[in-house]
Amino acid sequence: NAGVTQTPKFQVLKTGQSMTLQCAQDMNHNSMYWYRQDPGMGLRLIYYSASEGTTDKGEVPNGYNVSRLNKREFSLRLESAAPSQTSVYFCASRAWDTDHNEQFFGPGTRLTVL
Amino acid sequence: AQSVTQLDSHVSVSEGTPVLLRCNYSSSYSPSLFWYVQHPNKGLQLLLKYTSAATLVKGINGFEAEFKKSETSFHLTKPSAHMSDAAEYFCVSHSGSARQLTFGSGTQLTVLP
Repeated sequence: NAGVTQTPKFQVLKTGQSMTLQCAQDMNHNSMYWYRQDPGMGLRLIYYSASEGTTDKGEVPNGYNVSRLNKREFSLRLESAAPSQTSVYFCASRAWDTDHNEQFFGPGTRLTVL
Repeated sequence: AQSVTQLDSHVSVSEGTPVLLRCNYSSSYSPSLFWYVQHPNKGLQLLLKYTSAATLVKGINGFEAEFKKSETSFHLTKPSAHMSDAAEYFCVSHSGSARQLTFGSGTQLTVLP
């Protein structure tokens, strides 16, 4: 199993450009999540999808959109990138079978917006 | 709302000495708590998790944590630090129907030779 995969690994954008970050998991997990990581702030939840067909806002959703394409894939879109969106983005997934299941994280996408 | 506070942003220890990384949580009920580790330029890896089955939780690589409800703490310890333990450590709780995670701000562990 590859676990959680993310593409691309690195990206540089100019202000105003758009892009989509891709995430896929092969663990048959129900829930998927997008986080951003900034120095000294831990990880903050952008959006999540509790199950296929549903998405909900997290703590910092402004400037982002998401699509749960199917059970495996959950993408994050920046419609008009801003320098404040320079960050490391992590995707995660989680199974439902118990309340205590942990989330499994991808390797991250390092995004710089100039 | 739940919150997690990591009391030290940086901890330095010498190789072979004990490690203590401190975490306090706030919750109106017993939460599920986790410690994750992040090595430089890597994703997050689960070290251990508290699920209410036992207050002393053993994890990978010799780490363990003790859940103390009276102190609302979940401190991470290791008897003897190794150079490979140098990383950032996050104390995490989860809540909500979709089990959204709440992260502490992280503790950077440095291990000196």
